[in-house]
Amino acid sequence: QVQLQESGPGLVKPSQTLSLTCAVSGGSISTGGYYWSWIRQHPNKGLEWIGYIYHSGSSNYNPSLRSRVTMSVDTSKNQFSLNLSSVTAADTAVYYCARSGSQMYFDLWGRGTLVSVSS
Amino acid sequence: DIQMTQFPSPLSASVGDRVTITCRASQNINKYLNWYQQKPGKAPRLLISVFYGLQSGVPSRFSAGGSGTDFTLTISSLQPEDSATYYCQQSYRAPFTFGQGTRLEIK
Repeated sequence: QVQLQESGPGLVKPSQTLSLTCAVSGGSISTGGYYWSWIRQHPNKGLEWIGYIYHSGSSNYNPSLRSRVTMSVDTSKNQFSLNLSSVTAADTAVYYCARSGSQMYFDLWGRGTLVSVSS
Repeated sequence: DIQMTQFPSPLSASVGDRVTITCRASQNINKYLNWYQQKPGKAPRLLISVFYGLQSGVPSRFSAGGSGTDFTLTISSLQPEDSATYYCQQSYRAPFTFGQGTRLEIK
């Protein structure tokens, strides 16, 4: 079955760019109708949708983060990525990649990766 | 943004109890409301969509209802493995927002 796996540095310095990749296995990222999202969870807090990207490259970002977020998709590697610039301690969170259909409920999640922002 | 508010939190109940968690949206979201279960150290798991129904593999003791701004998640007979935090999420309009979570404890 389809699985998602996040990867990237667990520690990022303030003002730098957080970069994460989500590898899709067991299926093609180019399968029509699926949207690929990033969602984060601050320690012991709730969930925040960061944005999604479609296999065509079209994207939709949360306005609260839009100025700092860039997402990309690499269909040849069957993966998609998140870049979050100018990070601060407030960006410390577990970052999840997730899949949804056009109905925008998230039916498949990666295990999540903790990213800490600290000097 | 559409704000999602859940109550009660936390919630404590006994095995076999019927449990209801409520989620309220700050504006009309029709039936575009989804419920997730999250256990410590794990990713959230989609349980049920009010519009689209129960996810495959989710026990039938879970049900969801509501429309407009008020929604419920009901567990008909609480089991020990239902101890978790439950989140609602609106899929009506981006940005897609979640409730703050309801932590369900088993007495």
